[in-house]
Amino acid sequence: DIVMTQSPLSLPVTPGEPASISCKSNQSLLHSPGYNYLDWYLQKPGQSPQLLIFLGSSRASGVPDRFSGSGSGTDFTLKISRVEAADVGVYYCMQGRQTPYTFGQGTKLEIK
Amino acid sequence: EVQLAESGGGLVQPGGSLRLSCAASGFTFSPYAFSTYAMSWVRQAPGKGLEWVSAISGEGDSTYYADSVKGRFTISRDNSRYSVYLQMNSLTVEDTAVYYCAKRLYCSSTTCYGFEHWGQGVLVTVSS
Repeated sequence: DIVMTQSPLSLPVTPGEPASISCKSNQSLLHSPGYNYLDWYLQKPGQSPQLLIFLGSSRASGVPDRFSGSGSGTDFTLKISRVEAADVGVYYCMQGRQTPYTFGQGTKLEIK
Repeated sequence: EVQLAESGGGLVQPGGSLRLSCAASGFTFSPYAFSTYAMSWVRQAPGKGLEWVSAISGEGDSTYYADSVKGRFTISRDNSRYSVYLQMNSLTVEDTAVYYCAKRLYCSSTTCYGFEHWGQGVLVTVSS
C-alpha cells in the first residue's frame, strides 16, 4: 500500500498570513498520461470532506484561488496564500494512483 | 446539483450485519450519466482520520476493497435507482465510524480522479 505522510499535523496561522502543508508518498503518484494522482481535501468542523485540489495542482470548482497545489512524484504541497477564518479545519491529502486509496494523517489548521 | 444521501446506519452487535445505501440525486440526464462515475465508500472512526473502504466502477463490474474489510464487506450499485450499497457482515468494534459515500469528479474508460461529491455521512456503531 502507498503510505501518505503529512506535515505538520497542527498548523496555527494568523489571519492574512500564508500557510503550507507538505504531503509525501512512499511511491510515485505519477501515472500516464503524465498526471499526479494526488488530491487535497478540507474537512471543516462538523462537515463532510470537500475537494480542494485534484491531480496535484488543479483547483476544484468554487475553490478560491488562495489555494494552490504543487509537486510531482512523491512530494506535494498545498499552499494557502492568505489564511481566512473560514479555512479552519483538517486538511487531508489522498493518493488515487492505486487501490487501496490512502489518506494522509490530516493537518489541523487553526487560527491564532 | 448532485447530492448524495446515505442511510442504513445504526447500532449493531459485534458479528452482526448492516446494509448501507447511498442515493444520488441531481443527475438530470439518465441513469447512463450516473453509470459513468465510479463510486466509493470512505469512513471516519470517531476522532480519527479518513479511511477509504471500497470502490465500484460505473457499470458495477469491478470492485475494490481495503484489506481491513475484504471478505466481510460487499459493494454494489443499481444505476436504474441511482444508488450504491455497502453490505457489511461480521462487523467488529473497529468498524465503528461515520461512513461517507463519495462520487468521482471525472472518470474515463481507464482512470478516475477526485472525489467531488460527498454525502453527509451515516454513523455505524458496533457495540455489545
